[in-house]
Amino acid sequence: AQSVTQPDIHITVSEGASLELRCNYSYGATPYLFWYVQSPGQGLQLLLKYFSGDTLVQGIKGFEAEFKRSQSSFNLRKPSVHWSDAAEYFCAVGDYSGTYKYIFGTGTRLKVLA
Amino acid sequence: DTEVTQTPKHLVMGMTNKKSLKCEQHMGHRAMYWYKQKAKKPPELMFVYSYEKLSINESVPSRFSPECPNSSLLNLHLHALQPEDSALYLCASSQDRSGSRKETQYFGPGTRLLVL
Repeated sequence: AQSVTQPDIHITVSEGASLELRCNYSYGATPYLFWYVQSPGQGLQLLLKYFSGDTLVQGIKGFEAEFKRSQSSFNLRKPSVHWSDAAEYFCAVGDYSGTYKYIFGTGTRLKVLA
Repeated sequence: DTEVTQTPKHLVMGMTNKKSLKCEQHMGHRAMYWYKQKAKKPPELMFVYSYEKLSINESVPSRFSPECPNSSLLNLHLHALQPEDSALYLCASSQDRSGSRKETQYFGPGTRLLVL
């Protein structure tokens, strides 16, 4: 069955430090992958997406993600974290078995220390 | 413009009330979605409309009744809800290009629902 795993429930980093959030997927076909960010009580904002082509994808707010087929991973990175990046981050894969829908990971909560 | 709007932002209702949530997009998208999200959990898909037809109903109780009056609007009618239905209700839309898997969902800000 298709699935998305975010192994880290919580991550704490200091402001200015680098960040990597992990995402692993299990999907039979070529995966289409997404990262969303959600601030408390808000909707989900699209950070970046991977459909095909260059495996290093640039997104908004200085985020990037790298698709590694051999590792079934799509990790999100940021070189220098800002306090405003504290939020919940969700990885998702697009599933087109029938009608299109997303499969979400369980999320990673990021805390940023001043 | 990638905006999906939702009203109201907050809603408090009793278990005997009838209320509706509204979602609107003007991106020309033909697929619209309702999700339910409990605290500290990922969104759970409830319904999907594709070209104004209900295409997915994820075994949602009948006290939730979706409606898609046109391609820009999606409603969720609520009746006789339970306290455990309290959650953030998110609407999303995507283009739904036939045969394409390169779909991106854009989410609204959500309606925070409290059932007393």
